Order: sequence, then C-alpha cells, then structure tokens
Amino acid sequence: DAGVTQSPTHLIKTRGQHVTLRCSPISGHKSVSWYQQVLGQGPQFIFQYYEKEERGRGNFPDRFSARQFPNYSSELNVNALLLGDSALYLCASSLVSQSYEQYFGPGTRLTVT
Amino acid sequence: AQTVTQSQPEMSVQEAETVTLSCTYDTSESDYYLFWYKQPPSRQMILVIRQEAYKQQNATENRFSVNFQKAAKSFSLKISDSQLGDAAMYFCAYQRALYNFNKFYFGSGTKLNVKP
Repeated sequence: DAGVTQSPTHLIKTRGQHVTLRCSPISGHKSVSWYQQVLGQGPQFIFQYYEKEERGRGNFPDRFSARQFPNYSSELNVNALLLGDSALYLCASSLVSQSYEQYFGPGTRLTVT
Repeated sequence: AQTVTQSQPEMSVQEAETVTLSCTYDTSESDYYLFWYKQPPSRQMILVIRQEAYKQQNATENRFSVNFQKAAKSFSLKISDSQLGDAAMYFCAYQRALYNFNKFYFGSGTKLNVKP
C-alpha cells in the first residue's frame, strides 16, 4: 500500500505570494494533520481535518487555511507569504480523529525569497 | 500547556556502542502517549517507539528501548548496538490521550551521529 504522499516536493515562492500544498493520506485513513517544521526545530501542529471538517487548529495566523476533500486528500493554503514561512511542511494521516498512530509523509520544502 | 524538551542538540556514538537520548515533558494530564520519531535526511518521520503513560513497563522495539519515569516526566531513548543507519534527527513527542483531536507536541530534536 502507498504511504502518505505530498506534492510538490520542493517549492520556491516570493514574499506576498500564495501557495497550495497537497497531501494524499494512506488509503482508508480519514484524518489528515498538517505540521510546520522550521529548520532546526521540531514540527509544530497547524491543523487537523477529519471527515472534511476542521477538528483542531494550532497557533497559526489566519493566512494559513486548509480543507479536506471527499476522497480525504487535503490542501494547505498559505496567503501573503512571509520569509518566516520557509519550512518543511509535513502531512500526517490516521484512521480516526484521535489516534496515536499517525503516519507522516515526506514533506514539502517551501522556500520564500 | 504541554511542552517537550530535548536538551541534547547533538550526540555522537561509536558503531556497535550504546547511546541514550534524553527527553523531558511538562503536562498536567495523567493519560497520554509518548513517542520517539526518527527523521533521516530523506525527511520522512518514522516512528521508532511508543509508550502509553498508563503502562508501567518500559516499551522495547528490538535495539530500541525507553526509560519512562512518569513522576519525573522523563522519557529517554536507548539505542543498543548502534548502526550507521541509526544516524538521523530524533524527536521526542507527546500526545494527550482521549482528546478530541490529534495534536502531537514535538521537542526540538537531537542529531545523532554514528561513527564507524
């Protein structure tokens, strides 16, 4: 079975632009979580979506938004990019909303110049 | 708020030797999970080992074992017979149990170097 997949692998954007990152969970998994990992730090929780509804949100500004589609894939959108948004964005999937079994994707490396 | 602290930014170990990575956490909850994740240069976060707080017995997975001290809020990872493939960033993580959504709190990581 395929694991969690994310696209694109790398992305370079300019300050002020908008970016969309995509995640496909493991088949059968209905929950997708997004994490931001700034260089040299551990991942920080951004969002969790379960059954197409937002179940949790971390301490991130409203420039960050996400959605989940009927096939349980998800998009993370970031508006008005700042240099500080440069990071590795990780997606994790799990079967249910509250699960200690999360499987991470390889991430999307976003560079904002 | 829950916090996870890894006080060792970088450690080195000789191949075949044993190394212990430290982690402390802060929580007021009594039921939670603790994890060690490995992140190699490929960036994929890989689960190494998991510990349920209600279990007194320390978790073990082959060469990996933990020392879970609930009262001290300490959760260290011991890697025995270190191999070159163990070189990676290691993150300690906490998850509150019986909560209405998944949220992992991660430490800042420890970079493990394995010397041949």
